[in-house]
Amino acid sequence: RKEVEQDPGPFNVPEGATVAFNCTYSNSASQSFFWYRQDCRKEPKLLMSVYSSGNEDGRFTAQLNRASQYISLLIRDSKLSDSATYLCVVKGQATDSWGKLQFGAGTQVVVTP
Amino acid sequence: GAVVSQHPSWVICKSGTSVKIECRSLDFQATTMFWYRQFPKQSLMLMATSNEGSKATYEQGVEKDKFLINHASLTLSTLTVTSAHPEDSSFYICSAASSRSLLEDTQYFGPGTRLTVL
Repeated sequence: RKEVEQDPGPFNVPEGATVAFNCTYSNSASQSFFWYRQDCRKEPKLLMSVYSSGNEDGRFTAQLNRASQYISLLIRDSKLSDSATYLCVVKGQATDSWGKLQFGAGTQVVVTP
Repeated sequence: GAVVSQHPSWVICKSGTSVKIECRSLDFQATTMFWYRQFPKQSLMLMATSNEGSKATYEQGVEKDKFLINHASLTLSTLTVTSAHPEDSSFYICSAASSRSLLEDTQYFGPGTRLTVL
């Protein structure tokens, strides 16, 4: 079983609509959670960290559900520029080597005019 | 701030040759650098972690004699793919972290190097 699993998509979203997707993780001792964005043939870029209480950054809202071991990302008022692959990233337990991150394979979002 | 560069951005080589990829932190001191590999439509897989001045720690299944990592200074790490074969063709991405950013689980990614082995 993969440590971090995501629906690969693609999620085809009309411009201005809302899209949401989840990611599940297998290690219940995971400490930190992130969403990264990766454009085609580019490096991943940090979109936002995910906190237990849930957090919002503009049109992006992230939620963490520790009991069910999933995190979610919601994008409101989608823009064409939101088209990308969104990577769910989890840091393992504290005893892991510093900075070791586990990446999901990504969820592709395609925003259409 | 926190810019990481990689060179080259892409490389094509013949089977059996060695390829060196450089990763540089341009405006901060990177005490730790990470090397990842990403195959199409797959997740980034950590290959190894290197700390300046010490030997790299390789992940399970990654051959240390094939993927040579050197982290000789606080701003430069190199990955050498020795005797490359077509199955080594992939997107290689480095990331760098300072001792402070690691506490915040922050790594800064380079733009990646696309390796194609013919």
